[in-house]
Amino acid sequence: GQQLNQSPQSMFIQEGEDVSMNCTSSSIFNTWLWYKQDPGEGPVLLIALYKAGELTSNGRLTAQFGITRKDSFLNISASIPSDVGIYFCAGQASGTYKYIFGTGTRLKVLA
Amino acid sequence: DAGVIQSPRHEVTEMGQEVTLRCKPISGHNSLFWYRQTMMRGLELLIYFNNNVPIDDSGMPEDRFSAKMPNASFSTLKIQPSEPRDSAVYFCASRHSGNTIYFGEGSWLTVV
Repeated sequence: GQQLNQSPQSMFIQEGEDVSMNCTSSSIFNTWLWYKQDPGEGPVLLIALYKAGELTSNGRLTAQFGITRKDSFLNISASIPSDVGIYFCAGQASGTYKYIFGTGTRLKVLA
Repeated sequence: DAGVIQSPRHEVTEMGQEVTLRCKPISGHNSLFWYRQTMMRGLELLIYFNNNVPIDDSGMPEDRFSAKMPNASFSTLKIQPSEPRDSAVYFCASRHSGNTIYFGEGSWLTVV
């Protein structure tokens, strides 16, 4: 099925470092969602974005809805070991019910 | 509040057997989605229900797959007969009238 381009595909970082990842699409979306999936678990919603330019934070996580409506960014500040997991973006176009998911960013934090 | 509840969490079955996965959406949510997740293809939408009615089943891979939603609090995804290539994680997700969907913990299926 159709997927968003999510990058980077994987990241190895030191504890305490900041992390940035992004998703890009050829289509315009009116909603962007960011999820985290731990091993053996389902995706858990981190942040939802509904308006172009919107910047939303959830603790150490900050996400932005790109002005072009074709991209979104997720930043994690001062990473900790429990940030390990796979982060997915998902976009929804106006007037549709379908969410298109990114390919995921695998994050590993080295203590 | 309870989240989306799926069962079984893990199932190992032999090729040719029937598999039934179950989902209880979040109470009050009127949309339900079944997704399949594999390493190769990521998260794929199989079927979408709105108010218990199947709206889009174009993602169902073949006739061996079927899904039902007899009421607002229960849905099943059935594979009959199962094949090894059906091995994957199957997620159920639900949504209220807004744009945010919530996933269950998934059913890990292995067909040997």
